[in-house]
Amino acid sequence: KAGVTQTPRYLIKTRGQQVTLSCSPISGHRSVSWYQQTPGQGLQFLFEYFSETQRNKGNFPGRFSGRQFSNSRSEMNVSTLELGDSALYLCASSLAGGQGNEKLLFGSGTQLSVL
Amino acid sequence: GQQVMQIPQYQHVQEGEDFTTYCNSSTTLSNIQWYKQRPGGHPVFLIQLVKSGEVKKQKRLTFQFGEAKKNSSLHITATQTTDVGTYFCAGPGYGGATNKLIFGTGTLLAVQP
Repeated sequence: KAGVTQTPRYLIKTRGQQVTLSCSPISGHRSVSWYQQTPGQGLQFLFEYFSETQRNKGNFPGRFSGRQFSNSRSEMNVSTLELGDSALYLCASSLAGGQGNEKLLFGSGTQLSVL
Repeated sequence: GQQVMQIPQYQHVQEGEDFTTYCNSSTTLSNIQWYKQRPGGHPVFLIQLVKSGEVKKQKRLTFQFGEAKKNSSLHITATQTTDVGTYFCAGPGYGGATNKLIFGTGTLLAVQP
């Protein structure tokens, strides 16, 4: 079974640009979550999608958005990039979730650097 | 807001020594999960604890869930260099039907051969 696939692996952008990251969950998994990881703030929850609907959203500005397609693949978008958006963005999938009682399977992440 | 703290932030041990990391939640948890992230890698699920006072073992790793379901610990016996990495605990974030997890601050373990 293929794991969670995130593309691209590395990305360099400049301030003000926008970026789109992609995540393909494990086959059969319908829940996709996104996390931002930085040395200072640790792992911060961005949002979670299930059956193309956003079920929960973390405390991030509206510049961060996402969506999920009918095949469960998900994308997240960050507009008007700021230096502080430099981070490792991790996608995680789970079967269905619902009560925070399913393990998360993480992708390798996208390392975003904003210059 | 809901918080999950871990101590210590960093621990350096000699190979063969024991290691323990502690996890404390500001709220009661229905379950707690532990993940390990190797340097340059991504978090990998280790285990889930559900019952109050539960203890589970995986070879040299022992996981405990507190009686009040607000704290947990991970103990590694006789550390090896392969144990190097950051250990995170994580609990469900409240907010209805969701698989949102709140991750602890993590403990970075360095093992000197």
